[in-house]
Amino acid sequence: KNEVEQSPQNLTAQEGEFITINCSYSVGISALHWLQQHPGGGIVSLFMLSSGKKKHGRLIATINIQEKHSSLHITASHPRDSAVYICAVRWRGGNKLVFGAGTILRVKS
Amino acid sequence: GAGVSQSPSNKVTEKGKDVELRCDPISGHTALYWYRQSLGQGLEFLIYFQGNSAPDKSGLPSDRFSAERTGGSVSTLTIQRTQQEDSAVYLCASSLMGPNTEAFFGQGTRLTVV
Repeated sequence: KNEVEQSPQNLTAQEGEFITINCSYSVGISALHWLQQHPGGGIVSLFMLSSGKKKHGRLIATINIQEKHSSLHITASHPRDSAVYICAVRWRGGNKLVFGAGTILRVKS
Repeated sequence: GAGVSQSPSNKVTEKGKDVELRCDPISGHTALYWYRQSLGQGLEFLIYFQGNSAPDKSGLPSDRFSAERTGGSVSTLTIQRTQQEDSAVYLCASSLMGPNTEAFFGQGTRLTVV
């Protein structure tokens, strides 16, 4: 059982829609990362969170430490947002990242 | 360098051959990680370097896999006697030390064992 669970696995949206991707984890963490991977492309770090909320352009990431849950929101989605979005955590006291299975997002025009 | 650089970007090798994959991290990043992404699978951790030492090798799948890092910079992941199940994208990431530091990923090496 993966200790980092993402939902949904697949998501198709119409351009302009508000999108939410969820991530839950099992034990205490020092940081949570949201990553983006385009087809055939490398991985880009979108956010690193240890508490609260961060915003960058149309992307918003939130984390609730007590509930062990994070969400990535995309406002006014666009076809270029189509990618795999991956949640990754660093356990408290650990070094490596543990990854969720990823959410495949497709935004249709 | 400007980012994490990996080479080669693609490698096709015959089963049983050895391969070497290279990672050149961002200058000044003391932490370096190797991850693997198999087709249809998520990312899995292989090995972590702090400077030149590897305090966590727990993700290496077998003794055919080894890695080294020299001069606190470039790292090489070596796979001996490659098998078809080794086919995957091998990703390198680097960061500054500390739990709340951002990880920067390379573009990966796509390894295909035929």
